[in-house]
Amino acid sequence: QKEVEQDPGPLSVPEGAIVSLNCTYSNSAFQYFMWYRQYSRKGPELLMYTYSSGNKEDGRFTAQVDKSSKYISLFIRDSQPSDSATYLCASNAGNNRKLIWGLGTSLAVNP
Amino acid sequence: DAGVIQSPRHEVTEMGQEVTLRCKPISGHNSLFWYRQTMMRGLELLIYFNNNVPIDDSGMPEDRFSAKMPNASFSTLKIQPSEPRDSAVYFCASSFRSYEQYFGPGTRLTVT
Repeated sequence: QKEVEQDPGPLSVPEGAIVSLNCTYSNSAFQYFMWYRQYSRKGPELLMYTYSSGNKEDGRFTAQVDKSSKYISLFIRDSQPSDSATYLCASNAGNNRKLIWGLGTSLAVNP
Repeated sequence: DAGVIQSPRHEVTEMGQEVTLRCKPISGHNSLFWYRQTMMRGLELLIYFNNNVPIDDSGMPEDRFSAKMPNASFSTLKIQPSEPRDSAVYFCASSFRSYEQYFGPGTRLTVT
């Protein structure tokens, strides 16, 4: 079992839909939970991060961590075609720089 | 800042040849990472350096792969001899915080 599991999709939604992307993790020591976005033929870039449990909101994006169930979520409201990308979740224990990555979920938002 | 710089952007080589990938991290970042990305296996960490010292090379596939970081502004990843199964996109990333890594544009390697 991988330490971070993520459904690779692909996920296809109409413009304006609410998107829910999810990951599960197994290591209780994880404290930082990140979402990276990767456009085609580009490197990943940090979208949002959460420390420990709770929610974090940034515009149309909300990151949520439930440590009791070891569940990580990213919600995208009013999705736009420009949100079409692969979204990767990642975690680490905070005491080192090594990130543990999910496989990534491919999202297509159709106009 | 120019961001993380990688070269070459594309490399096509024949099996058995030596391949050298290069990376210049963002100035001031003290950690550097080499990743390989494929559709089947996703993003795999090969090795990472902290203050130019290799910390974790457990992801390096085999002895054909080697990485060096002679100073804070330069790193190389070498594959010798290359094999078709090494075909992938190789990313270099740098960081100064535990949760944020800045990725370069990647090198697309094809070994025929």
